[in-house]
Amino acid sequence: QSVLTQPPSASGTPGQRVTISCSGGSSNIGSNIVNWYQQFPGTAPKLLIYSNNQRPSGVPDRFSGSKSGTSASLAISGLQSEDEANYYCSAWDDNLFWLFGGGTKLTVL
Amino acid sequence: QVQLVESGGGLVKPGGSLRLSCAASRFAITESYMSWIRQAPGKGLEWLSYISSSAVTTYYADSVKGRFTISRDISKNSLFLQMNSLRAEDTAVYYCAGGRTTLDFEFWGQGTLVTVSS
Repeated sequence: QSVLTQPPSASGTPGQRVTISCSGGSSNIGSNIVNWYQQFPGTAPKLLIYSNNQRPSGVPDRFSGSKSGTSASLAISGLQSEDEANYYCSAWDDNLFWLFGGGTKLTVL
Repeated sequence: QVQLVESGGGLVKPGGSLRLSCAASRFAITESYMSWIRQAPGKGLEWLSYISSSAVTTYYADSVKGRFTISRDISKNSLFLQMNSLRAEDTAVYYCAGGRTTLDFEFWGQGTLVTVSS
């Protein structure tokens, strides 16, 4: 069972727009929705984006998601220091398992 | 608000067994789709197992198939993970997670640490 491919790291300065990519295949991202999770060190992950581009209540609209074909992206606009965290994409695979990306560590410079 | 609380982690020798529990409050597991997910030290998230709201359907990752069993107890509103034949590479923080749909992990517990070492 493979993982979804994310860049291991990303960075930006306060106020910038940063994007994190997530690449998969036809049996996962290509045919199912993508979710994104935010995790701070030592804490449990939190659902950040669901159904490709929906934000749960309480998530700032600076966070947005998109999907095209077998890839997805998380965009963070107006970057803030408190956005420094690890971000994971996730999708169901039609071979009957959940997949996570390897995670992207976002650094706010 | 919804709370998921895991317990049962600890130190176990290779080849040993452990049973993790996840108690849910303000959240009925009979109406939810639950999974166990782990995170090895310094690593990413790995999905392990899923159980449907009716408990009729279960799925497992290849890495734990045949060794781990997911189950639930409606009377305790709790989820379980029976882990047998544990290996050093099973060392991780184990999270229970789930939601009101099959589509995402809306709620997460705080995690319980399992260490497999002699």
